Amino acid sequence: GAVVSQHPSRVICKSGTSVKIECRSLDFQATTMFWYRQFPKQSLMLMATSNEGSKATYEQGVEKDKFLINHASLTLSTLTVTSAHPEDSSFYICSARRARPDHEQYFGPGTRLTVT
Amino acid sequence: AQSVAQPEDQVNVAEGNPLTVKCTYSVSGNPYLFWYVQYPNRGLQFLLKYITGDNLVKGSYGFEAEFNKSQTSFHLKKPSALVSDSALYFCAVRDMTKDSNYQLIWGAGTKLIIKP
Repeated sequence: GAVVSQHPSRVICKSGTSVKIECRSLDFQATTMFWYRQFPKQSLMLMATSNEGSKATYEQGVEKDKFLINHASLTLSTLTVTSAHPEDSSFYICSARRARPDHEQYFGPGTRLTVT
Repeated sequence: AQSVAQPEDQVNVAEGNPLTVKCTYSVSGNPYLFWYVQYPNRGLQFLLKYITGDNLVKGSYGFEAEFNKSQTSFHLKKPSALVSDSALYFCAVRDMTKDSNYQLIWGAGTKLIIKP
């Protein structure tokens, strides 16, 4: 089956620093990747959608300059949280959509970000 | 607008009893419906999906879901609950509208607690 990896699984950083999270589709090409944020005991909140080779589309209320998304290849997307603050602490999940044959979405295991 | 509702924040079931986690949806056109499970601090795991065909869909870990078009429901069921089934369950519908990137629209999630 299709596998999506996410790295790191956990990261602790200090306020003001930047953190990069990688999302890779290991055995398929992902034309679209989605980045979600999840608060404790809540549903997934879509942050942005990225299509390979083009700029990401951000959901309303998500700061594009704070959450930088790069989708440079069909197997890799990165989310960089810039100038992190404690309120950015959250669980971030990526998802990769396989174009063929079925547009199915596959999820990474998530990254727990803690900003101190 | 397309939406998914999970009317129960939490469902409590005794081990060995049947369980049902409810989901209703609102879409234009034919629905593509999904159930995912999330264990604490983990990513989402796919359970099952309905695209077309038999209204009773069988999935992973003994779960099944029944698609009911007239009631616009897609309830998740299991004949005999296990303590290890305790987790957060999400219902989702795929957005098939133009320019949606086939993103998933998520329910709020239902916490399932199975008591020994």
